[in-house]
Amino acid sequence: GAVVSQHPSWVICKSGTSVKIECRSLDFQATTMFWYRQFPKQSLMLMATSNEGSKATYEQGVEKDKFLINHASLTLSTLTVTSAHPEDSSFYICSAQEVWDTDTQYFGPGTRLTVL
Amino acid sequence: GQQVMQIPQYQHVQEGEDFTTYCNSSTTLSNIQWYKQRPGGHPVFLIQLVKSGEVKKQKRLTFQFGEAKKNSSLHITATQTTDVGTYFCAGRNYGGSQGNLIFGKGTKLSVKP
Repeated sequence: GAVVSQHPSWVICKSGTSVKIECRSLDFQATTMFWYRQFPKQSLMLMATSNEGSKATYEQGVEKDKFLINHASLTLSTLTVTSAHPEDSSFYICSAQEVWDTDTQYFGPGTRLTVL
Repeated sequence: GQQVMQIPQYQHVQEGEDFTTYCNSSTTLSNIQWYKQRPGGHPVFLIQLVKSGEVKKQKRLTFQFGEAKKNSSLHITATQTTDVGTYFCAGRNYGGSQGNLIFGKGTKLSVKP
Protein backbone atom coordinates (compact mmCIF):
# COMPACT_ATOMS: atom_id res chain seq x y z
CA GLY A 1 0.00 0.00 0.00
CA ALA A 2 0.85 3.73 0.08
CA VAL A 3 2.09 4.05 -3.48
CA VAL A 4 2.94 7.42 -5.00
CA SER A 5 3.39 7.81 -8.73
CA GLN A 6 4.88 10.61 -10.77
CA HIS A 7 4.39 11.45 -14.40
CA PRO A 8 6.35 11.83 -16.52
CA SER A 9 9.37 9.89 -15.27
CA TRP A 10 11.59 11.98 -17.49
CA VAL A 11 11.15 14.95 -19.78
CA ILE A 12 13.34 16.94 -22.13
CA CYS A 13 12.20 20.39 -23.15
CA LYS A 14 13.45 23.51 -24.83
CA SER A 15 14.42 26.59 -22.88
CA GLY A 16 11.46 28.90 -22.36
CA THR A 17 8.78 26.24 -22.35
CA SER A 18 6.72 25.12 -19.37
CA VAL A 19 6.65 21.62 -17.99
CA LYS A 20 4.00 20.06 -15.76
CA ILE A 21 4.81 17.19 -13.41
CA GLU A 22 2.07 15.19 -11.75
CA CYS A 23 2.23 13.49 -8.38
CA ARG A 24 -0.50 11.01 -7.48
CA SER A 25 -1.22 8.98 -4.38
CA LEU A 26 -2.63 5.79 -5.85
CA ASP A 27 -4.21 4.03 -2.91
CA PHE A 28 -4.57 6.61 -0.21
CA GLN A 29 -5.68 10.17 0.32
CA ALA A 30 -3.02 12.76 0.89
CA THR A 31 -3.94 16.11 2.35
CA THR A 32 -0.31 17.15 2.19
CA MET A 33 2.23 16.60 -0.56
CA PHE A 34 5.80 17.81 -0.71
CA TRP A 35 7.94 18.75 -3.67
CA TYR A 36 11.72 18.31 -3.65
CA ARG A 37 14.50 18.76 -6.14
CA GLN A 38 17.76 16.90 -6.15
CA PHE A 39 20.82 17.85 -8.14
CA PRO A 40 23.17 15.05 -9.24
CA LYS A 41 24.98 13.46 -6.32
CA GLN A 42 23.54 16.06 -3.97
CA SER A 43 21.03 16.12 -1.19
CA LEU A 44 17.33 16.67 -1.47
CA MET A 45 16.03 20.19 -1.20
CA LEU A 46 12.48 20.79 -0.08
CA MET A 47 10.85 23.27 -2.45
CA ALA A 48 7.32 23.55 -1.16
CA THR A 49 4.56 21.97 0.85
CA SER A 50 1.28 21.50 -0.94
CA ASN A 51 -1.99 21.31 0.97
CA GLU A 52 -5.18 20.18 -0.71
CA GLY A 53 -7.48 23.06 -1.44
CA SER A 54 -5.11 25.81 -0.34
CA LYS A 55 -2.05 27.66 -1.56
CA ALA A 56 1.30 25.94 -1.33
CA THR A 57 3.89 27.02 1.19
CA TYR A 58 7.23 27.67 -0.44
CA GLU A 59 10.63 27.35 1.19
CA GLN A 60 12.90 30.36 1.27
CA GLY A 61 14.60 31.02 -2.02
CA VAL A 62 12.07 29.11 -4.13
CA GLU A 63 10.26 31.30 -6.66
CA LYS A 64 6.56 30.60 -6.39
CA ASP A 65 5.83 32.23 -9.73
CA LYS A 66 8.31 29.96 -11.42
CA PHE A 67 7.32 26.73 -9.71
CA LEU A 68 3.54 26.66 -9.73
CA ILE A 69 1.97 24.09 -7.46
CA ASN A 70 -1.64 22.99 -7.57
CA HIS A 71 -3.17 20.47 -5.18
CA ALA A 72 -6.69 20.22 -6.47
CA SER A 73 -7.66 16.87 -5.00
CA LEU A 74 -6.66 14.51 -2.21
CA THR A 75 -4.78 12.32 -4.68
CA LEU A 76 -3.16 14.74 -7.09
CA SER A 77 -0.65 17.56 -6.89
CA THR A 78 1.04 19.16 -9.88
CA LEU A 79 4.26 21.13 -10.19
CA THR A 80 4.63 23.34 -13.24
CA VAL A 81 8.06 24.68 -14.05
CA THR A 82 7.31 27.83 -16.02
CA SER A 83 9.66 29.26 -18.63
CA ALA A 84 12.20 26.56 -17.88
CA HIS A 85 15.90 27.25 -18.27
CA PRO A 86 18.89 24.88 -18.27
CA GLU A 87 19.58 25.65 -14.60
CA ASP A 88 16.16 24.16 -13.79
CA SER A 89 17.39 20.78 -14.99
CA SER A 90 17.16 18.51 -12.01
CA PHE A 91 15.46 15.52 -10.46
CA TYR A 92 12.09 16.50 -9.01
CA ILE A 93 10.59 14.22 -6.37
CA CYS A 94 7.25 14.44 -4.63
CA SER A 95 6.12 12.81 -1.44
CA ALA A 96 2.73 12.45 0.18
CA GLN A 97 1.37 12.09 3.68
CA GLU A 98 -1.73 10.05 4.48
CA VAL A 99 -4.56 11.91 6.13
CA TRP A 100 -4.34 9.72 9.23
CA ASP A 101 -0.55 9.34 9.45
CA THR A 102 1.32 12.61 9.31
CA ASP A 103 4.48 11.02 10.69
CA THR A 104 5.27 9.18 7.47
CA GLN A 105 5.99 10.37 3.95
CA TYR A 106 5.78 8.20 0.86
CA PHE A 107 7.96 9.24 -2.03
CA GLY A 108 7.28 9.11 -5.72
CA PRO A 109 9.89 7.73 -8.11
CA GLY A 110 10.90 11.19 -9.30
CA THR A 111 10.93 13.06 -12.61
CA ARG A 112 14.14 13.83 -14.42
CA LEU A 113 13.86 17.22 -16.14
CA THR A 114 16.41 18.24 -18.74
CA VAL A 115 16.11 21.71 -20.23
CA LEU A 116 18.07 22.26 -23.44
CA GLY B 1 21.53 30.70 7.59
CA GLN B 2 20.76 27.40 9.18
CA GLN B 3 23.02 24.53 8.24
CA VAL B 4 22.75 20.82 8.73
CA MET B 5 26.07 19.04 8.63
CA GLN B 6 26.24 15.30 8.19
CA ILE B 7 29.28 13.11 8.69
CA PRO B 8 30.89 11.06 7.41
CA GLN B 9 30.30 11.70 3.74
CA TYR B 10 31.24 8.13 2.87
CA GLN B 11 31.52 4.95 4.92
CA HIS B 12 32.76 1.58 3.74
CA VAL B 13 32.17 -1.35 6.09
CA GLN B 14 32.49 -5.09 6.08
CA GLU B 15 29.20 -6.91 6.32
CA GLY B 16 28.45 -7.48 9.98
CA GLU B 17 30.18 -4.34 11.19
CA ASP B 18 28.27 -1.50 12.76
CA PHE B 19 27.70 1.87 11.11
CA THR B 20 26.85 5.31 12.47
CA THR B 21 26.09 8.59 10.74
CA TYR B 22 25.88 11.89 12.58
CA CYS B 23 23.87 14.98 11.90
CA ASN B 24 24.56 18.38 13.46
CA SER B 25 22.56 21.56 13.15
CA SER B 26 23.75 25.10 13.70
CA THR B 27 20.39 25.91 15.29
CA THR B 28 17.93 24.17 17.56
CA LEU B 29 15.52 21.98 15.63
CA SER B 30 11.85 21.36 16.17
CA ASN B 31 12.24 17.88 14.74
CA ILE B 32 14.58 15.79 12.65
CA GLN B 33 13.84 13.23 9.98
CA TRP B 34 15.91 10.43 8.48
CA TYR B 35 15.70 9.08 4.93
CA LYS B 36 17.36 6.28 3.00
CA GLN B 37 18.00 6.39 -0.73
CA ARG B 38 19.17 3.25 -2.49
CA PRO B 39 21.46 3.67 -5.49
CA GLY B 40 19.32 4.75 -8.42
CA GLY B 41 16.23 4.90 -6.27
CA HIS B 42 14.15 7.52 -4.60
CA PRO B 43 14.27 8.49 -0.92
CA VAL B 44 12.38 6.48 1.63
CA PHE B 45 11.30 8.15 4.82
CA LEU B 46 12.59 6.24 7.83
CA ILE B 47 11.59 8.13 10.95
CA GLN B 48 10.91 11.46 12.60
CA LEU B 49 12.23 12.42 16.03
CA VAL B 50 10.60 15.24 17.94
CA LYS B 51 11.45 15.05 21.62
CA SER B 52 14.69 16.07 23.27
CA GLY B 53 16.80 12.98 24.01
CA GLU B 54 14.45 10.73 22.08
CA VAL B 55 15.66 7.28 21.05
CA LYS B 56 13.76 5.12 18.59
CA LYS B 57 14.56 1.72 17.20
CA GLN B 58 13.59 0.00 13.97
CA LYS B 59 15.02 -3.53 13.99
CA ARG B 60 18.78 -3.01 13.56
CA LEU B 61 18.48 0.78 13.24
CA THR B 62 18.69 3.07 16.26
CA PHE B 63 17.89 6.77 15.97
CA GLN B 64 18.78 9.36 18.58
CA PHE B 65 17.89 13.01 18.99
CA GLY B 66 20.21 15.03 21.19
CA GLU B 67 19.17 16.65 24.43
CA ALA B 68 19.74 20.10 22.95
CA LYS B 69 17.85 19.12 19.78
CA LYS B 70 20.80 20.18 17.64
CA ASN B 71 22.21 16.79 16.75
CA SER B 72 21.06 13.34 15.83
CA SER B 73 22.51 10.00 14.92
CA LEU B 74 21.55 6.87 13.07
CA HIS B 75 23.25 3.65 14.09
CA ILE B 76 22.98 0.37 12.22
CA THR B 77 24.00 -2.77 14.06
CA ALA B 78 25.55 -5.65 12.10
CA THR B 79 25.21 -4.15 8.64
CA GLN B 80 23.91 -6.20 5.75
CA THR B 81 24.30 -5.67 2.01
CA THR B 82 20.70 -4.52 1.91
CA ASP B 83 21.71 -1.50 4.02
CA VAL B 84 23.66 -0.05 1.08
CA GLY B 85 22.53 3.44 0.15
CA THR B 86 22.72 7.07 1.14
CA TYR B 87 21.26 8.11 4.45
CA PHE B 88 20.02 11.68 4.76
CA CYS B 89 18.98 13.61 7.80
CA ALA B 90 16.70 16.61 7.53
CA GLY B 91 16.12 19.10 10.27
CA ARG B 92 13.18 21.40 10.58
CA ASN B 93 13.83 24.64 12.39
CA TYR B 94 11.39 26.70 14.31
CA GLY B 95 9.66 29.62 12.72
CA GLY B 96 6.71 30.39 10.54
CA SER B 97 3.89 27.94 10.11
CA GLN B 98 6.15 25.12 8.97
CA GLY B 99 9.77 26.02 9.46
CA ASN B 100 12.28 25.24 6.76
CA LEU B 101 13.33 21.63 6.26
CA ILE B 102 17.06 21.52 5.65
CA PHE B 103 18.69 18.34 4.43
CA GLY B 104 22.19 17.17 5.22
CA LYS B 105 24.37 16.11 2.30
CA GLY B 106 23.98 12.47 3.21
CA THR B 107 26.25 9.62 4.19
CA LYS B 108 26.86 7.06 1.48
CA LEU B 109 27.19 3.58 2.94
CA SER B 110 28.77 0.70 1.07
CA VAL B 111 28.84 -2.79 2.55
CA LYS B 112 31.34 -5.39 1.46
CA PRO B 113 29.99 -8.92 1.65
